Amino acid sequence: QKEVEQDPGPLSVPEGAIVSLNCTYSNSAFQYFMWYRQYSRKGPELLMYTYSSGNKEDGRFTAQVDKSSKYISLFIRDSQPSDSATYLCASITGANSKLTFGKGITLSVRP
Amino acid sequence: DTEVTQTPKHLVMGMTNKKSLKCEQHMGHRAMYWYKQKAKKPPELMFVYSYEKLSINESVPSRFSPECPNSSLLNLHLHALQPEDSALYLCASSRLAGATTYEQYFGPGTRLTVT
Repeated sequence: QKEVEQDPGPLSVPEGAIVSLNCTYSNSAFQYFMWYRQYSRKGPELLMYTYSSGNKEDGRFTAQVDKSSKYISLFIRDSQPSDSATYLCASITGANSKLTFGKGITLSVRP
Repeated sequence: DTEVTQTPKHLVMGMTNKKSLKCEQHMGHRAMYWYKQKAKKPPELMFVYSYEKLSINESVPSRFSPECPNSSLLNLHLHALQPEDSALYLCASSRLAGATTYEQYFGPGTRLTVT
């Protein structure tokens, strides 16, 4: 079992839809959680970073962490065609610098 | 400024060539990373430098040789690569474990093709 599992894709939604992207993790030592967005042929861009359980909001994006169920989510409100990209969840323990990624899910937002 | 720069953007090299990839950051981060990413896969960690010293080598073949000349620069020296080494090579940086935040910032990558 991989330490970070991410829902398989691809995912296609109409413009304006609410998007929910989900990951689960198995390593109880993970304390920090990140979401990266990666456009085709570009490097990953850090979108959201969370430490504790709960929600963190940044514009149209909300990151949610539930440490009791080991569940990580990213919600995108009013999705735009420019949100079309691959989204990667990632976790880190804090004891070392190793980042563990999920497989990534490719999102397509249709105009 | 959260920018990590990488050069070159693209590189084509033969299996007998020697080339180097370069990475630079000016965020004061003391951890720097090399990742390899194949198409439709997440980045795979290759090396981690902490305070300019190699702290993690993920069993990478010796044809990849990292170097950290100072706290802002990271190089990856390539020699006698194989076609299966063709990939996007990503550099990243972060604060170190023990700091309050650990988020890693990635550069745009170097797309390497080995012929």
